[in-house]
Amino acid sequence: GAGVSQSPSNKVTEKGKDVELRCDPISGHTALYWYRQSLGQGLEFLIYFQGNSAPDKSGLPSDRFSAERTGGSVSTLTIQRTQQEDSAVYLCASRTGTHQETQYFGPGTRLLVL
Amino acid sequence: KQEVTQIPAALSVPEGENLVLNCSFTDSAIYNLQWFRQDPGKGLTSLLLIQSSQREQTSGRLNASLDKSSGRSTLYIAASQPGDSATYLCAVGPDPQGGKLIFGQGTELSVKP
Repeated sequence: GAGVSQSPSNKVTEKGKDVELRCDPISGHTALYWYRQSLGQGLEFLIYFQGNSAPDKSGLPSDRFSAERTGGSVSTLTIQRTQQEDSAVYLCASRTGTHQETQYFGPGTRLLVL
Repeated sequence: KQEVTQIPAALSVPEGENLVLNCSFTDSAIYNLQWFRQDPGKGLTSLLLIQSSQREQTSGRLNASLDKSSGRSTLYIAASQPGDSATYLCAVGPDPQGGKLIFGQGTELSVKP
């Protein structure tokens, strides 16, 4: 079956513009995660959705970052007024409802803010 | 605050060697630990998942051990092959309900033919 997909695969934008990154999780997976991977910072947690529960937003670095998950499936990560330090690879992962299972990662979106 | 450290940051070995990658974490209150592989420009692939009640997991040529009390895990790769070249990431799961993972910086492995 299909894995986690993300779009676009690459995004170049100008400082100050807004961007939207999309994640399509594996069908039937109720948990969805966003991470950011940048040079020098490694892989950092951003936000976690589990079913109908309130999302864990504790990793979002500023109020310019937000995410939503519609219909318990597709998720969109939005970065407003992008800054150069937002340049990174944004990875999405999904998991079944069983918390003992692993997370399955998508290929990522490479964001470059000029 | 949980911190995960991986040593070494990079490793180069000739094909056929057995090798060990190390991971340490500062807070022993974890519920699981995972090892992932990341190929250049790609996402992460899960290799092994060890629950907090387990001491080790094996898959093919890979064996991962977990010592919660000392805050350490090792990934043993037997008879390394050039196809094993990748970055290996260790991640701990602090949340029993399956929330975020906290990652180390990774070990970049190169296996020379």
